Amino acid sequence: DTAVSQTPKYLVTQMGNDKSIKCEQNLGHDTMYWYKQDSKKFLKIMFSYNNKELIINETVPNRFSPKSPDKAHLNLHINSLELGDSAVYFCASSRAVTGELFFGEGSRLTVL
Amino acid sequence: AQSVSQHNHHVILSEAASLELGCNYSYGGTVNLFWYVQYPGQHLQLLLKYFSGDPLVKGIKGFEAEFIKSKFSFNLRKPSVQWSDTAEYFCAVNAGRSQGNLIFGKGTKLSVKP
Repeated sequence: DTAVSQTPKYLVTQMGNDKSIKCEQNLGHDTMYWYKQDSKKFLKIMFSYNNKELIINETVPNRFSPKSPDKAHLNLHINSLELGDSAVYFCASSRAVTGELFFGEGSRLTVL
Repeated sequence: AQSVSQHNHHVILSEAASLELGCNYSYGGTVNLFWYVQYPGQHLQLLLKYFSGDPLVKGIKGFEAEFIKSKFSFNLRKPSVQWSDTAEYFCAVNAGRSQGNLIFGKGTKLSVKP
């Protein structure tokens, strides 16, 4: 079984649309994250949730809204998509104590 | 603010050459240090990590890294690279209160020629 799974893996959409990416982890971790990897491979944290509560919210447009229905899931909803949102979005999880992140396979979002 | 610097943007080596990728971080307190690898088209995988103890840590696939506190460095090494090591390598640090909030370097692309 995949430890951290994201869907969809590929997403192509038009500017202005709203889309969601789902993430689930079966590792029993308390903390989940969304990272954005841009075209230059730079990884930047967007959000972090611990036991369903938001603990990190970096400077991200409020068009991005994470939702954590339970500690095994962290979904990312994006409103009014813009060209600059095109990137690979990685979900990750960790046990709070170790800080080691386990990453999903990424969701490549292309906004046309 | 915490930051991580990886000095080499792109490294090109022939098989069997030795590898050293530089990583420096800026944070004066206790840190946890990581190297992740991203093979083409794949997700990030942990190569090795340092939390405490022996500053020379060994990871998977023959990689090792040395934590030098006085230099704020955590360089990655491998004595003899293989073509299959072609990938993007990321150094990451977490520090202070933000457990798990890894700050990543910009990555070093390693290309190994067969």
